[in-house]
Amino acid sequence: GENVEQHPSTLSVQEGDSAVIKCTYSDSASNYFPWYKQELGKGPQLIIDIRSNVGEKKDQRIAVTLNKTAKHFSLHITETQPEDSAVYFCAGSTSGTYKYIFGTGTRLKVLA
Amino acid sequence: DGGITQSPKYLFRKEGQNVTLSCEQNLNHDAMYWYRQDPGQGLRLIYYSQIVNDFQKGDIAEGYSVSREKKESFPLTVTSAQKNPTAFYLCASAMTSGSYEQYFGPGTRLTVT
Repeated sequence: GENVEQHPSTLSVQEGDSAVIKCTYSDSASNYFPWYKQELGKGPQLIIDIRSNVGEKKDQRIAVTLNKTAKHFSLHITETQPEDSAVYFCAGSTSGTYKYIFGTGTRLKVLA
Repeated sequence: DGGITQSPKYLFRKEGQNVTLSCEQNLNHDAMYWYRQDPGQGLRLIYYSQIVNDFQKGDIAEGYSVSREKKESFPLTVTSAQKNPTAFYLCASAMTSGSYEQYFGPGTRLTVT
């Protein structure tokens, strides 16, 4: 069945360093890939997304890259800050299905 | 102030009781979703609805039921048949055309003892 794998499950970085989280997907028909940030006890919030017709998208310190051939996409956070500490989820979706398949999440800790 | 509301934030029930979790949205979204989140796991889809009076089972529908009588509301009932009901429950909504983005509510933490 459809599957999205996410690595690593935990990631600790020093403040100011970069963080990279990687996801792979199994359904070649997937064409929309959002990333969500979830703070403790709250609902996830979309931080960036990318569609399959684009290879890279950037928004200030956050960027996402997509390799359709290899079926993987990555979240890059530069100049990390303590407030970036949270759980990050990737997801894949296919147009017309209205469903997301979520990865298992990455707990990011930014050490001051 | 547009968004998704879930109430209550914390809910406690005795084993064997059914309990209904509320989800309301004023974003005029057609699609609504219920997810379950357990520690160390991703979000697992329970039920979803793309239109009023219609809904589909997700990956873990056993022991749950839903209704979609109004566009704005998608309540989830956790029945006594659900073997491990203690979890964090998240509701989401999305448009069915254009953007695929799902907007999430703040969640309800259900504890069954």
